[in-house]
Amino acid sequence: SQELEQSPQSLIVQEGKNLTINCTSSKTLYGLYWYKQKYGEGLIFLMMLQKGGEEKSHEKITAKLDEKKQQSSLHITASQPSHAGIYLCGAPTENYGGSQGNLIFGKGTKLSVKP
Amino acid sequence: DAGVIQSPRHEVTEMGQEVTLRCKPISGHDYLFWYRQTMMRGLELLIYFNNNVPIDDSGMPEDRFSAKMPNASFSTLKIQPSEPRDSAVYFCASTAIGLGTEAFFGQGTRLTVV
Repeated sequence: SQELEQSPQSLIVQEGKNLTINCTSSKTLYGLYWYKQKYGEGLIFLMMLQKGGEEKSHEKITAKLDEKKQQSSLHITASQPSHAGIYLCGAPTENYGGSQGNLIFGKGTKLSVKP
Repeated sequence: DAGVIQSPRHEVTEMGQEVTLRCKPISGHDYLFWYRQTMMRGLELLIYFNNNVPIDDSGMPEDRFSAKMPNASFSTLKIQPSEPRDSAVYFCASTAIGLGTEAFFGQGTRLTVV
């Protein structure tokens, strides 16, 4: 079965610093989703990557997809306390010709930002 | 649309009792997922439905767990009998067919079995 491994598991950074979170799949990626979660709350969609080499940005968060490496990275520039939370990557396990099918997640990366 | 709605938000029950978690997906979405989240195991997929039909329930831990989706606007996850190790946050998510569509998550139900 396919698995998503995230690294690091937890991260503490000083406000204003840049950081990167990685997500590596054990099998071919048919798309990659990034979500953010505040403890005890639901997951908030950040962005989705569909094609190898694709890069998307939202405010100070940038995500890239490397299909060959079966990997995605999430980069935060000039981190702020509002960026704190758990970041999860998710991926559909099979390509049903357009349907999403099964959606699995990594175990998450807990980010703390020190003011 | 109000998003994916789960109830209750919190549930505390005694070991051996039956627990029913409820989910109302976003109208028009044809996929519904049930997940369980714990510190140790992260977010685990339990079961998912497509057009109200269970497609993959291989993530359901035991026969004590069952899920139904009687119509497009309602799903339940039942645990009978409940055990302390079932304590976790249970999330429901829904999405529309086609890549390029995010999965929308409910706020979750925090279950504590004592």
